[in-house]
Order: sequence, then C-alpha cells, then structure tokens
Amino acid sequence: NAGVTQTPKFQVLKTGQSMTLQCAQDMNHEYMSWYRQDPGMGLRLIHYSVGAGITDQGEVPNGYNVSRSTTEDFPLRLLSAAPSQTSVYFCASSYSSPLSGNTIYFGEGSWLTVV
Amino acid sequence: GQNIDQPTEMTATEGAIVQINCTYQTSGFNGLFWYQQHAGEAPTFLSYNVLDGLEEKGRFSSFLSRSKGYSYLLLKELQMKDSASYLCAVFDYGGSQGNLIFGKGTKLSVKP
Repeated sequence: NAGVTQTPKFQVLKTGQSMTLQCAQDMNHEYMSWYRQDPGMGLRLIHYSVGAGITDQGEVPNGYNVSRSTTEDFPLRLLSAAPSQTSVYFCASSYSSPLSGNTIYFGEGSWLTVV
Repeated sequence: GQNIDQPTEMTATEGAIVQINCTYQTSGFNGLFWYQQHAGEAPTFLSYNVLDGLEEKGRFSSFLSRSKGYSYLLLKELQMKDSASYLCAVFDYGGSQGNLIFGKGTKLSVKP
C-alpha cells in the first residue's frame, strides 16, 4: 500500500542550488500535482499533469519545472533555489481530474529549507 | 478567479459539536471537498459535495448550498484526535483542465 511516495522528506539547500523532489504513485492515477504549503497561505498549486506527456502550470509555477514521462512519476525541479521557496511540498494524485469529484491522495510531504 | 474563505481558528470542547464554515466564489462550480490535516502530516480526504444538502459520514457531516456559495463541516462528539486543520477546496476552471483550489484552512483545537 505505497500510495504516493515523496523523497526526500527533509532537505536543506543553499541559495542558487538546484534539486529535484521525487514523486511516485502506484495507483495508476492519471492526474498528478504539486502543491506548496506555507503558514497563513494554505495549499497552493505549483504544476499539475493530467497524464503522461502533459503538464500545465498552477497558481505559483515560477522557479519550478516538471515533467511527466511516465504515468507513475512526476518530479518537481527547483532550478535555482531561493529563500522564498522554503516551504512544505506535497505531491498528490487522483484517478482522473478532480473535476469529476475524484479524491486526491497526498504524499507525506517534503520539508525544504533554502538558506 | 476564485476566492475561498474559512475562519482561521476555532476552539471547542471534547464531546461537543462544532461547525466549520466555508464560503466560496468561483468562475464555475463542480463540487466542494473537505480535507483534514493533522500538524506535520498530509491532508486526508473527508467529504465531497456536488449537490445541495447534507452528506453524513459517521461523526462528520458536510453541507452545501450552491446558490449561496456556502458549505459547512459539522463534527459531532468531538474527540481530542479531531484537533487538526480542516481545509475546504473547490474546483476552478482555469488552465487547460482546471484544478482543485484550497482555502487557507481552519485550525481546530479540541480542549478537555
């Protein structure tokens, strides 16, 4: 029962470094997304994908890239880390778009600190 | 655009009933979700409403009024473990497929 798996759970980066947050799901879900959660701001959508080979921007995409080469994996890349990207990142997936009322399942989160 | 409003914090007593309200304004509407999130953990699904009325699941119920842009989550027989943040989310039709947009959450503290 792996569900949605995110790695790493904790990471400290220096300003300007790049890194990739990994996300994998084993539920054969078509829809995957990345959110960031900051105090007082709630969950904000970064990027999402409705299927392999298809990605789109969410509310706060700047500074992040994604790709979806397989149904299972949806990595999030920070191109040049900035202190403003210090946050908790959640990967999520659902069978198809939440438009149809499909439940979104979240990974356990990745705590990222940029110094 | 969209706007989702929830109270920031609420406090209630163990064994009591609490109602958490959510109001929303969206460019379209296709259902409203409630999620529970304990501190330091991932959000977990509680309920989904797409039609007006009350949906009951054990101690938790969720109500929707589409004409008023209003929903509430009702928690009965509160337990200490219900201390968590409760997130209201609605579907927004922006982007190529649209997406689930979350409110800022209501932090509920249950006291003995």
